[in-house]
Amino acid sequence: EAGVAQSPRYKIIEKRQSVAFWCNPISGHATLYWYQQILGQGPKLLIQFQNNGVVDDSQLPKDRFSAERLKGVDSTLKIQPAKLEDSAVYLCASSFRSLMEQYFGPGTRLTVT
Amino acid sequence: GQQVMQIPQYQHVQEGEDFTTYCNSSTTLSNIQWYKQRPGGHPVFLIQLVKSGEVKKQKRLTFQFGEAKKNSSLHITATQTTDVGTYFCAGSGGSNYKLTFGKGTLLTVNP
Repeated sequence: EAGVAQSPRYKIIEKRQSVAFWCNPISGHATLYWYQQILGQGPKLLIQFQNNGVVDDSQLPKDRFSAERLKGVDSTLKIQPAKLEDSAVYLCASSFRSLMEQYFGPGTRLTVT
Repeated sequence: GQQVMQIPQYQHVQEGEDFTTYCNSSTTLSNIQWYKQRPGGHPVFLIQLVKSGEVKKQKRLTFQFGEAKKNSSLHITATQTTDVGTYFCAGSGGSNYKLTFGKGTLLTVNP
């Protein structure tokens, strides 16, 4: 089966610019996650969707980050405006249901200069 | 909020030596998952533990869930160079559907 797809794989932007990431989960997976992984640390959950509803976004910096999952399939994560500390790898993952094994995409490496 | 701590942060071994990483939670966990992330790669699911005192084996890997469901360990017997990577535990507790990842243990293996 096809894995989780993400694009772009790499992005370099200047601070205060905006950026968007796209994720297409594994077909049939109801739960979709966006994580931020800073070098040397574990993935930090930004937002979790169950179908097209938000389950948890307690760690999403809502003044600059937004995410949506229209039609309960693919998802976009946006940062506007970006800050230097947003430099990280943004991972999308999906699972059949919450708390089941998660399948991660290859990630998008964001560099903010 | 829930915290998951892992030790050690780094471990360097000679090929053939054993390796263990430990995971501790500040609260009781309903389940714990383990992932492996190769350098430059993305996390890959290894196993999930849900029962108190549970032990599961995958070839040279042994996973344990503590009796109090607050700690877990991953033990690798006779490490190989293919075991290189960062091992993460991730736990969830109570009615919380969110997984909290530890900071991981980076394993390097000298051939």
